[in-house]
Amino acid sequence: SQQGEEDPQALSIQEGENATMNCSYKTSINNLQWYRQNSGRGLVHLILIRSNEREKHSGRLRVTLDTSKKSSSLLITASRAADTSSYFCATVKGSNYQLIWGAGTKLIIKP
Amino acid sequence: DVKVTQSSRYLVKRTGEKVFLECVQDMDHENMFWYRQDPGLGLRLIYFSYDVKMKEKGDIPEGYSVSREKKERFSLILESASTNQTSMYLCASSSLAREKLFFGSGTQLSVL
Repeated sequence: SQQGEEDPQALSIQEGENATMNCSYKTSINNLQWYRQNSGRGLVHLILIRSNEREKHSGRLRVTLDTSKKSSSLLITASRAADTSSYFCATVKGSNYQLIWGAGTKLIIKP
Repeated sequence: DVKVTQSSRYLVKRTGEKVFLECVQDMDHENMFWYRQDPGLGLRLIYFSYDVKMKEKGDIPEGYSVSREKKERFSLILESASTNQTSMYLCASSSLAREKLFFGSGTQLSVL
């Protein structure tokens, strides 16, 4: 079952610009994770933010979490062609760590 | 480097064949997962396992079975392959808290 919903579904920007992707979810969570997937490959974990955190950074990635709005955003600063990929959010909730995936955002960085 | 290895990148099978997809992880993870991914449908969970010989159905278990005889290995079985099982199959593993899933490279299965 899909809880997370990413928007936009697709995003095309120029190299050097910032890219922002959003994820919304429906119920309270333990944490929210972002992954990327290059075409035809497996997913790679990027960053995790816990429900009691509001912002986290990792290199050029910045993730925010607003639990009142049940939403998260992933910002990639100074985008590069190598950032072209699909990005997925996943929420973990409950004592049984139920993991629910969003449908993904396809990001294209134009050189 | 930690690793999740899927036995095949590409597989072509005939309708009605029994198909085995193998997945091995080297991280001593409790959890292992099988997903299928189709364009526009995202990741859908087929089965997962939280321990040896333990398994739980995911969202779309029909037509599939799984086996986990050893902690490091999780097999997905298509008892009688059908064309609607043509898809990308992704295996993943994680610790119990599921704070980071490690994925294999995927198996693109075509059933003709």
